Amino acid sequence: DVELLESGGGLVQPGDSLTLSCAASGFTVDHFAMNWVRQAPGKGLEWVSVIYSDDRFTFYADSVKGRFTVFRDKSKNTVHLQMNTVSIEDTAVYFCARDRARSATGWSFDAWGRGTLVTVSS
Amino acid sequence: QSALTQPPSASGSLGQSVTISCTGTDSDIPNYIYLSWYRQRPGEAPKLLIYELTKRPSGVPDRFSASKSGNTASLTVSGLQADDEGFYYCSTYGGRSNALFGGGTKVTV
Repeated sequence: DVELLESGGGLVQPGDSLTLSCAASGFTVDHFAMNWVRQAPGKGLEWVSVIYSDDRFTFYADSVKGRFTVFRDKSKNTVHLQMNTVSIEDTAVYFCARDRARSATGWSFDAWGRGTLVTVSS
Repeated sequence: QSALTQPPSASGSLGQSVTISCTGTDSDIPNYIYLSWYRQRPGEAPKLLIYELTKRPSGVPDRFSASKSGNTASLTVSGLQADDEGFYYCSTYGGRSNALFGGGTKVTV
């Protein structure tokens, strides 16, 4: 079965750094575009970032560009999201999501983790 | 880019249908087939219902159907069941190597 398990969330202060992890099982993360999507408390979904298969490209939402970095650890079949200079507006549940299209980007996400909560507060 | 616009709520009776709209701009929805729909129940991760405008992943019943006209997409849930309740989100390729989501529609049966 395909499974994604996020970890690394927690309570941090504005300006801090944090790295989230998404461990995959049942498939190889290197073969798929992997995304991060977040959901602020009581709000809707917001796309954050994508890393294409084989690490060809990475892209970010304007709201996190220059502060967040997505990268893959092929040896651990894991995707990470490094979050720098966080602000209160980054408070959200962060989901890892797999693109449905293997070795391509179809911009639809067929596997999701349960998310990890990041709370930014002073 | 702004998020896609969805009505905040929609409702229908058991066995009936409900249709949810999703409005974008001339720069996104009309230009791509990469339009998806998801359902999210409280405390759960979203589930993919529709991809590439009209296609259903394996296991999603044909009670879920979707269409597009101009800059508005629609999802119809027919034969409403109690477990169809939840929040429904549309999403599309935004044209700038990004994805856009709608604000979500709470469906009540």
